[in-house]
Order: sequence, then structure tokens, then C-alpha cells
Amino acid sequence: DQQVKQNSPSLSVQEGRISILNCDYTNSMFDYFLWYKKYPAEGPTFLISISSIKDKNEDGRFTVFLNKSAKHLSLHIVPSQPGDSAVYFCAASAADSWGKLQFGAGTQVVVTP
Amino acid sequence: DTAVSQTPKYLVTQMGNDKSIKCEQNLGHDTMYWYKQDSKKFLKIMFSYNNKELIINETVPNRFSPKSPDKAHLNLHINSLELGDSAVYFCASSQDRVGGPRPWEKLFFGSGTQLSVL
Repeated sequence: DQQVKQNSPSLSVQEGRISILNCDYTNSMFDYFLWYKKYPAEGPTFLISISSIKDKNEDGRFTVFLNKSAKHLSLHIVPSQPGDSAVYFCAASAADSWGKLQFGAGTQVVVTP
Repeated sequence: DTAVSQTPKYLVTQMGNDKSIKCEQNLGHDTMYWYKQDSKKFLKIMFSYNNKELIINETVPNRFSPKSPDKAHLNLHINSLELGDSAVYFCASSQDRVGGPRPWEKLFFGSGTQLSVL
């Protein structure tokens, strides 16, 4: 049973435009959410996170929005750059889970010139 | 200097063999993990060690045995390999559960080991 779902396996966006990646979760015990970015032949790297006490967190070009009532979060990348082309994983955890993250299947983002 | 390094990067072997994957981190973290990325691309936790103590042991066949000789190393030994074990295995580490908003969930991953069982 997948508790974190990324329903869009891929996304193509033009350089300079906004990329919006979506993520849904089913477990109401999740209270911390993260996005990881992965390039081919590398491990995922942490990008940005948000606690359930917030509805928005911003870090440079990356903003994560959380809608708890809808059990939905999204990652906005503005403006998109060619170096943003990667697979983005959404992850979630519950309190006292000792780093036991639940990951989505990822969204492949391709930024075209 | 690679923060989390795992070897080998590629591992091709026959069914029934026994193999090991090694992982080392130089970040001074207290917690280390093994994650498996299956054919559907989901990353799923297998094991977690905190200061050499096993704290997470998901439903993983007994053929998989992690070993942590010290807090900087976490190795994964797999006995009697099966076709279904083919996957990418990622080692990761994180800070201990002290200070800050959930630092232990900010995982640092190795580059992965592509295991192919023929």
C-alpha cells in the first residue's frame, strides 16, 4: 500500500517557466514532508522540507506548499533551469518514525531550452 | 571527499550466490540506513542502525543481514540471491535525533549499488 503518491511520472517544462510537481498522501499521521532530487547514477539529495504546522516553505527558487485537509503537497520551481532536469521524490514521515521515510515513485522533470 | 560511499557500484551475480555491499559515511552521523529502489522506482526502507544498534527492521527476508561494525559503516550481506532481489540498493545516513526540527529525516544518500541477479 503506497501511502505517498506522485501521479505524474514525468513533466516537461520550458526554461524560465514554472515547474509544479504534485504529491498526495493517505496517512494522516504524516507530519513532516520532504522533497529529494535525483540525478542519474547518483543518490537522492535533500531539496526542501515542510512541517505540518506550516503551509508554505520557501528556499530560493523552490517553494513547497502543504494542504493538510486535502493531504496534498506541491513543489514549485521558479524559474526552471536546465540543471533542474532530474527525478524529484516526495517523501513523508510520522513522529517517532526514526527516519523511516515513505517515498513516492518520483517525477521525471525535463527542462528544455 | 564523498560523504556516503558504497561499493560496489554494480554487482552482477548468479542466483543462489551470497554477496555483500559495503557502505561508509564520513559525516559523523549516528544513524545509517539501507533503502531498496525496486523496478517501480519506489524507495523503501529496509534497515536502520543508530550507533550500531538496529532500530528499524522492515519486513525483509532473513537472507538480508545488515552489519554495523561501527557507526560510520553499515554493510549489507545477502544470502542465496534470488531474481527478485535485483534492484538498486541505497545506503544513507542522517544526524542523530537531537536538536532542530527533525534533522534525522534529512538523509544523505550514497550513489547506489545496481544489483542484477541472473
